[in-house]
Amino acid sequence: AQSVTQLGSHVSVSEGALVLLRCNYSSSVPPYLFWYVQYPNQGLQLLLKYTTGATLVKGINGFEAEFKKSETSFHLTKPSAHMSDAAEYFCAVSGGGSSNTGKLIFGQGTTLQVKP
Amino acid sequence: GAGVSQSPRYKVTKRGQDVTLRCDPISSHATLYWYQQALGQGPEFLTYFNYEAQPDKSGLPSDRFSAERPEGSISTLTIQRTEQRDSAMYRCASSLGARGAKETQYFGPGTRLLVL
Repeated sequence: AQSVTQLGSHVSVSEGALVLLRCNYSSSVPPYLFWYVQYPNQGLQLLLKYTTGATLVKGINGFEAEFKKSETSFHLTKPSAHMSDAAEYFCAVSGGGSSNTGKLIFGQGTTLQVKP
Repeated sequence: GAGVSQSPRYKVTKRGQDVTLRCDPISSHATLYWYQQALGQGPEFLTYFNYEAQPDKSGLPSDRFSAERPEGSISTLTIQRTEQRDSAMYRCASSLGARGAKETQYFGPGTRLLVL
């Protein structure tokens, strides 16, 4: 069975500092990997996803993530945090192997706080 | 429509009552998903539809939960004889194709259900 672990339910950074949100997954086959962001009173919005090809994936708002198969990780980074990045971030996996269902398995989420 | 919409946005009900939640996906999106999100947790898969077919309802917690999408567009999630443990955010998402593991899911704002 697939699972996702996000290390740290709360992460606090200063404005302009590096953002690093950690995600590790468990899957018997290479899965598809996603990062979603949730702003207050809004639905989840896709930041980026990895399906195949280049393991470094660039997303919206300056975020990127690298798929590391050997470490079963898909950590999310941004070089310089902005106040508007404060939100809750979810890592998710789907599919892989012969499974073609789009059912997403989410981590528990990480709340990012950005201090001025 | 321009995005996924859900109604109502908030629902307060008494234990034992039935509730029906509605999801209106993006026009022409073939696939529709329902997730349940408890406070402080990531969303958990309930069920999904490819047009009007419902290939997987393995995530529905009990037979009190049912969903339908009779014309392959709008979907409803019904919870019968609600219990306090049903209190959660219910999220709907849709994706364009009918073969979904790689596809981006677009989420609605959710319906927050509180069972007293």
